[in-house]
Amino acid sequence: QQQVRQSPQSLTVWEGETAILNCSYEDSTFNYFPWYQQFPGEGPALLISIRSVSDKKEDGRFTIFFNKREKKLSLHITDSQPGDSATYFCAASENYNQGKLIFGQGTKLSIKP
Amino acid sequence: ETAVFQTPNYHVTQVGNEVSFNCKQTLGHDTMYWYKQDSKKLLKIMFSYNNKQLIVNETVPRRFSPQSSDKAHLNLRIKSVEPEDSAVYLCASSSENTLYFGAGTRLSVL
Repeated sequence: QQQVRQSPQSLTVWEGETAILNCSYEDSTFNYFPWYQQFPGEGPALLISIRSVSDKKEDGRFTIFFNKREKKLSLHITDSQPGDSATYFCAASENYNQGKLIFGQGTKLSIKP
Repeated sequence: ETAVFQTPNYHVTQVGNEVSFNCKQTLGHDTMYWYKQDSKKLLKIMFSYNNKQLIVNETVPRRFSPQSSDKAHLNLRIKSVEPEDSAVYLCASSSENTLYFGAGTRLSVL
């Protein structure tokens, strides 16, 4: 039973394009949604996060769009760079509870120069 | 340098052996975690420790046991490894709303 689902499993875009990574969840009590970025040979690192009281969160080229009614969110990466090539994990929890973070299975993003 | 440090980076062993992985964080956090990342990159929490008290223990096999000497250290021992234990084991610590991960220990069980 996968409570947090991501799609696509892998994505390839050209440098300069916008990459869109999707995430959905099941538990309506989830109210905190971080995205983690993982490069090969490293641990995941927090990229950007959103709380359910907001429908959009922007940080430079990274933007989260959140739809509470549909239990969906997406990560948009504009002006994609080769250095953005990584695996991106959507996660969810209730009330910032790191011990209860549920991770999706990840989207492997490749940026072609 | 403040971060989460894991040793070893890699470990190859045979079925039935005992292994131990080390983790140290210099971030001053109160809570530490062990996650398992399988071959499909799925991340699953195994344990969390807050001030040496186990506060989350997911349904992991009993051959796995966390060991902590102080809040900066959380080691992981596997008593008798099995093939399905092959994975990357990630240690992490947390502040209010962020997990900080180490680089992981990749375990291969032959």
